[in-house]
Amino acid sequence: QIQLVQSGAEVKKPGASVKVSCKASGSSLSTSYIHWVRQAPGHGLEWLGWINLNSGAITYAQRFEGRVTLTRDASSNTAFMELSRLTSADTAVYFCAKPYSSNSAFFDFWGQGSLVTVSS
Amino acid sequence: DIVMTQSPDSLAVSLGERATIKCKSSQSVLLSTKNKNYLAWYQQKPGQPPKLLIYWASTRESGVPDRFSGSGSGTDFTLTISNLQAEDVALYYCQQYYSTPHTFGQGTKLEIK
Repeated sequence: QIQLVQSGAEVKKPGASVKVSCKASGSSLSTSYIHWVRQAPGHGLEWLGWINLNSGAITYAQRFEGRVTLTRDASSNTAFMELSRLTSADTAVYFCAKPYSSNSAFFDFWGQGSLVTVSS
Repeated sequence: DIVMTQSPDSLAVSLGERATIKCKSSQSVLLSTKNKNYLAWYQQKPGQPPKLLIYWASTRESGVPDRFSGSGSGTDFTLTISNLQAEDVALYYCQQYYSTPHTFGQGTKLEIK
């Protein structure tokens, strides 16, 4: 069974940055990819990008390019999502998710979510 | 970007009846070389992450009750929940993974009538 454990809630001021972690574990981690998806209060799901935990290869959603940075620590199977120049519109729950396979990006395991609140 | 549009935004169905949720993509998510539709359905309950129900438009995830079924191809898809149970009250989302950015529908809220 795969487990994705995320870091805790954060409160940030507008203009600041936030970094969320996602530690992957499991007896058969059949994919090395971790995707990030966010959900603003009362809103739907929005995909931010993915990272390969082994190679470090990355793809970002274009609308977040320049503001989101995905990194990883391969030795601990941990992925990180950093979002900069925060505004109130970035208040959301941020999820990491494991895709079914490298070329099948539907998500069979999810982290518990990390609430990021942006408020002055 | 592929836009995913669900209908309705909300619906109320009686226990034991059938619920039908539609999802339309702004362009085809059928990869003809593999004859696969890159479309998934999720269920989300309050305070929880989404749960995968259906992938490849009609393949049920392991452990998902067989009252959940998916159908459709190309740009038009349907999630059907037969014999509605109280525990099916949730938000439901479709998602395309045909191309990046992977996009989701706006969600459909399912309630008991």
